[in-house]
Amino acid sequence: GAGVSQSPSNKVTEKGKDVELRCDPISGHTALYWYRQSLGQGLEFLIYFQGNSAPDKSGLPSDRFSAERTGGSVSTLTIQRTQQEDSAVYLCASSLGKADTQYFGPGTRLTVL
Amino acid sequence: QKEVEQDPGPLSVPEGAIVSLNCTYSNSAFQYFMWYRQYSRKGPELLMYTYSSGNKEDGRFTAQVDKSSKYISLFIRDSQPSDSATYLCAMSVGGADGLTFGKGTHLIIQP
Repeated sequence: GAGVSQSPSNKVTEKGKDVELRCDPISGHTALYWYRQSLGQGLEFLIYFQGNSAPDKSGLPSDRFSAERTGGSVSTLTIQRTQQEDSAVYLCASSLGKADTQYFGPGTRLTVL
Repeated sequence: QKEVEQDPGPLSVPEGAIVSLNCTYSNSAFQYFMWYRQYSRKGPELLMYTYSSGNKEDGRFTAQVDKSSKYISLFIRDSQPSDSATYLCAMSVGGADGLTFGKGTHLIIQP
């Protein structure tokens, strides 16, 4: 079956611009996660959605980062006023429910010039 | 000190060797432990998932958890060139929260 998909696969933007990254989780998965993977920091948790509950935003690095999940399915991660340190691979994962295996998408490689 | 420590390598071994990959952690609240494999420019792929101390085996892979020492290991038997990848340990407190990852070990299996 179809796995987690993310778009775009690559995004190059200029410092100060806003970007939107999209994640389509596996159908039927109620939990959705965003992570960031950078050379210096490794893989870091950003935000977690579970069903209709309020998201866990504890990993968001600044108020320039936000995410929403519409209709319990597709999610969009928005980075406002991008900075060069935002350059990283942004990974999305989904799981069937709480405490279940997280399946990762291929990621979006963001480069901020 | 990071919550999860993992040697980044690279670790280079000949084909057929037994590989040992390790992570240590400082947060005793971690209860769920995972190993992911990541090929270049791909997303991480789950290899092993465990929530108790002891060993868990799946084919050529064995995961070992020692909660008293805050130490987890992944063993790969009969290693193959296709096992060359970055191996990431990950853990969580409640199983449903965001995972805390090690930085990953870059493994190279020489043919």
